[in-house]
Amino acid sequence: QTVVTQEPSSSVSPGGTITLTCGLSSGSVSTSHYPSWFQQTPGQAPRTLIYSTTTRSSGVPDRFSGSILGNKAALTIRGAQTDDECNYYCVLYVGGGIWVFGGGTKLTVL
Amino acid sequence: QVQLVESGGGVVQPGRSLRLSCAASGFIFRNYGMHWVRQAPGKGLEWVAVIWYDGSKQYYADSVKGRFTISRDISKNTLYLQMNSLRVEDTAVYFCTRDSNWELNWGQGTLVTVSS
Repeated sequence: QTVVTQEPSSSVSPGGTITLTCGLSSGSVSTSHYPSWFQQTPGQAPRTLIYSTTTRSSGVPDRFSGSILGNKAALTIRGAQTDDECNYYCVLYVGGGIWVFGGGTKLTVL
Repeated sequence: QVQLVESGGGVVQPGRSLRLSCAASGFIFRNYGMHWVRQAPGKGLEWVAVIWYDGSKQYYADSVKGRFTISRDISKNTLYLQMNSLRVEDTAVYFCTRDSNWELNWGQGTLVTVSS
């Protein structure tokens, strides 16, 4: 069974830069997994930030960026704002028509 | 603009069935694959199922395989999720999403509560 791993929590200072990661329990993440990133505040539907590793969804500020760092997918937030404090999820396409979400990262901005 | 409106959620007893619907508008429904994603209370997102743009293929998470069926009606621009043999652990908000070349557009979700 494929498990997608994310940091359970992370923190950043206002104006700072933070990188969240998305890995696989076995193996490396590549562009062939089409990693996507989502932002969710409690009680709201998720919002897509990044898809296909690096592509920003419409309306997403360019201080959000996606990449592959080593053997993981990564979401980097530059110039962190208090509004960025929420939960972030990644999803990977693991083949055979199956997608798997990571457990999510709770980001604190303080 | 893309609109996805889920409906059909509610309270149901374990072992019973429920069918969710997702009304799509603002785009050509038959051109896009569609997913269901769920989120249990206070938990993370879980991918549930996908159906190809033409309905030719469907894939499911192991947790729902054999119990849930994803389908679509092109004439009604509607996506469905038939949920049978429901379990307490199926309690969640169910989101309908459009897959546009790996970009997901989300509906607002509908809550399903499985409880005796």
